[in-house]
Amino acid sequence: QVQLQESGPGLVKPSETLSLTCAVSGDSVRSFFWSWIRQSPGKGLEWIGYVSHTGSTNYNPSLRGRVTMSLDTSKNQFSLKLASVTTADTAVYYCTRGKATPYVWGPGTLATVSS
Amino acid sequence: DVHMTQSPSSLSASIGDTVTITCQASQDIRSSLNWFQQKPGKAPKLLMYGASSLETGVPSRFSGSVSGTDFTFTITGLQPEDFATYYCQQYDNLPPTFGGGTKVEI
Repeated sequence: QVQLQESGPGLVKPSETLSLTCAVSGDSVRSFFWSWIRQSPGKGLEWIGYVSHTGSTNYNPSLRGRVTMSLDTSKNQFSLKLASVTTADTAVYYCTRGKATPYVWGPGTLATVSS
Repeated sequence: DVHMTQSPSSLSASIGDTVTITCQASQDIRSSLNWFQQKPGKAPKLLMYGASSLETGVPSRFSGSVSGTDFTFTITGLQPEDFATYYCQQYDNLPPTFGGGTKVEI
């Protein structure tokens, strides 16, 4: 049974880069697609993008090139980097398994952007 | 992006009631629609895909249908554990997009 767990700093300063990692157990990141979704009171649920088992990526154009996703097959995890953050990026960030349909979700991690 | 208009944003219901939630897509998305359930402090859970197919283990009191770009999600015989927020999500076009959610309250 696949399980996902997000980790990363809970507080990030404006203009800095938010970095999150998702540890995968019960499955291999060499299979399937892996995505990030965030949820904020103001914008609801927003799909950020995916990284495939081959390392190819697809990002939401709304994030204007600030997003980078990657795989670390040696640690069986994948990661998200969001650059030049503002307070609008404050949200609960979820890692999920799936390309466009998130079949399995991590519990989520709150990332707050504040000085 | 495909815009998903979900209604109502909240509703009050009682145990045993039948509850209906609708989602309208801004363009044709065929049957490429998921429904999720989210409880406070928890991640959303996939209940239904392809507009009407139940995910494994999801009770049959949940059902879904589609007519053109209008999607309907129904709970027949509301149970205490069904009080939650429900979201639709289209996956026909990237980026996938979500409705605004419907909170089902007592």
